[in-house]
Amino acid sequence: DAGITQSPRHKVTETGTPVTLRCHQTENHRYMYWYRQDPGHGLRLIHYSYGVKDTDKGEVSDGYSVSRSKTEDFLLTLESATSSQTSVYFCAISDSLGGGYEQYFGPGTRLTVT
Amino acid sequence: AQSVTQPDIHITVSEGASLELRCNYSYGATPYLFWYVQSPGQGLQLLLKYFSGDTLVQGIKGFEAEFKRSQSSFNLRKPSVHWSDAAEYFCAVGAPDSWGKLQFGAGTQVVVTP
Repeated sequence: DAGITQSPRHKVTETGTPVTLRCHQTENHRYMYWYRQDPGHGLRLIHYSYGVKDTDKGEVSDGYSVSRSKTEDFLLTLESATSSQTSVYFCAISDSLGGGYEQYFGPGTRLTVT
Repeated sequence: AQSVTQPDIHITVSEGASLELRCNYSYGATPYLFWYVQSPGQGLQLLLKYFSGDTLVQGIKGFEAEFKRSQSSFNLRKPSVHWSDAAEYFCAVGAPDSWGKLQFGAGTQVVVTP
C-alpha cells in the first residue's frame, strides 16, 4: 500500500467554523489531490498540487483552499464550513511512471458539518 | 474536457457468475483509463490501468478490461465473481497532459448473492 495517511479520520464541526484536513505521504510523489465523495457523484476533484507551493483549482473548489509547503504534506482548509461540505474527503498521490499516471488514495476523512 | 459515464448504478450478480461493468468516456484522443474498487468504509484501490498498447489489460483480483476506441469504452470483466467482490467500482479517465488529474464516473455498486 502506498504510504498515505489522512488526519483526522473523522470530524464533526459546526457551521461557520474553519476546518483543516491533512494528507501526508511518504512516497515522495510530485502530485497530490483532494477529492470529495458524495453518493451519486463519484469522486470530484477539489484542488490539486503539481509541486511544492504549486496548486490549482479542481471542479468543486468554492469554499476550499489548499497549501503545500513540503512535498509530503497537502492541507485542505474549509474556510467557513457549511452543511453542504458534509462529505468524505480523499487525498490521492501520483507520479509520472513510464509516461502514465496512476493515483493512490488515502483512507479518507469523514466530515460532518452540523 | 473529458467525461466518464457508468450506465449501471447498481448490479446484482450471483456468486460464480460472470460480471461486466460498463464505462464510456468522452475525450478527443486516447486517454489514460483506470478502474478502481472501493469496499465499504475504505479508500479506493487501483484494479487496472490502460495507457497504450495491448487493448486487453489484466488487473488484480482476476479482473480484466478491454479498451475499444471505436466505442469509447473501457469495460471491466471478471469470469467468476466471489462474495468478496461486492463493492463499488469506479471508472476514471485522465488526459496525458493534465497533471495526472482524473475524471471519475459516478460508480457502479455490485451486490453478490449466494
